[in-house]
Amino acid sequence: EVQLVESGGGLVQPGSSLKLSCVASGFTFSNYGMNWIRQAPKKGLEWIALIYYDSSNKYYADSVKGRFTISRDNSKNTLYLEMNSLRSEDTAMYYCAKGGAGRYWGQGVMVTVSS
Amino acid sequence: DVVMTQTPPSLSVAIGQSVSISCKSSQSLVYSDGKTYLHWLLQSSGRSPKRLIYQVSNLDSGVPDRFSGTGSQKDFTLKISRVEAKDLGVYYCAQTTHFPYTFGAGTKLELK
Repeated sequence: EVQLVESGGGLVQPGSSLKLSCVASGFTFSNYGMNWIRQAPKKGLEWIALIYYDSSNKYYADSVKGRFTISRDNSKNTLYLEMNSLRSEDTAMYYCAKGGAGRYWGQGVMVTVSS
Repeated sequence: DVVMTQTPPSLSVAIGQSVSISCKSSQSLVYSDGKTYLHWLLQSSGRSPKRLIYQVSNLDSGVPDRFSGTGSQKDFTLKISRVEAKDLGVYYCAQTTHFPYTFGAGTKLELK
């Protein structure tokens, strides 16, 4: 059974940093690209980053480019999202999702940016 | 960016009724490999999104054949036949042909 479990969220102040993790199981993690997608409260879905299976390519939404970094450790079956210079508009539930078309999603982790 | 326009924003349905949701993209979603990367997802209340259909018309495993997807280029439709209570929630179309990937604003399916 495919499982994706996010962690690392919380309440932080504007301008601070946070690093999210997503531990994968039930499939060969190193064979798949992985995404981070977020959902602000009561809003729709926003794709924010994709990393290829071998980390050879990374893509970002303009809203996070230069502030967020996606990475992965295939030896640990783990996807990361390092978030810097956080803003109030980054407040959202953050999901990791398997594959280019998001076949499987984690349960999400909440990030709240507020003073 | 590719803009995904979903209509209607909400639908009230009776159990057993059939419904359709439209999704139109601002650019063709045909990729250089000839495939069209348009997908449909459902987010039930309080849950993570779940993909139902990929590449326009392919049902994910476990998705009942009451769901069907059609369309091409820039114009796509999700049809749900004989709606059941477990089908309620917000439906999103999503494109992964062009970066950045984008989603429609969602269509909320609720009981009449």
